[in-house]
Amino acid sequence: QQQVKQSPQSLIVQKGGISIINCAYENTAFDYFPWYQQFPGKGPALLIAIRPDVSEKKEGRFTISFNKSAKQFSLHIMDSQPGDSATYFCAATYSSASKIIFGSGTRLSIRP
Amino acid sequence: GAGVSQTPSNKVTEKGKYVELRCDPISGHTALYWYRQSLGQGPEFLIYFQGTGAADDSGLPNDRFFAVRPEGSVSTLKIQRTERGDSAVYLCASSSLAGARDTQYFGPGTRLTVL
Repeated sequence: QQQVKQSPQSLIVQKGGISIINCAYENTAFDYFPWYQQFPGKGPALLIAIRPDVSEKKEGRFTISFNKSAKQFSLHIMDSQPGDSATYFCAATYSSASKIIFGSGTRLSIRP
Repeated sequence: GAGVSQTPSNKVTEKGKYVELRCDPISGHTALYWYRQSLGQGPEFLIYFQGTGAADDSGLPNDRFFAVRPEGSVSTLKIQRTERGDSAVYLCASSSLAGARDTQYFGPGTRLTVL
């Protein structure tokens, strides 16, 4: 059972454009939603995270938008740069849990 | 400071063999996690240690998989009678506090190939 669904599978964006990755979840017990960035040959690294009591969180060029009623959240990367080219994973977890449940990933390529 | 390290970086083995994968967490981190990442997929949770004990092993796929952390630091993931379906990148992560909300720092992984 896929608890966190992510789309698109791959994305190509021109330098300076906005990259948008979408995720949906099923378990309403989830209360923490992190995004991870992974470069080839490296482990995932935490990029930004949000709790469902806020609708938006911004850190630099990265913004999470959260829609609790729709059980959806998305990552926006403003002014996308070639260095942003990586695989991005949305994820979810809940207070009593130790494990993170990851989406299937989006391979982002930023064209110069 | 040093991050999470994993050895070996690559491991090729034959079907039916036994393998051990090692994880050195960030110094002082009490929580340690193992995940498995298949090609083109997100990491899947395997097991979580708090100190020396396995607090949650619900992700281990079957009894061929076992992990230990005898002194509360280094951990070893052990796979018996390997199968081709075990081929994946095995990731280790550590965090200073228990629980998924604390930032988990991932190592680079061990790529296991079962021929």
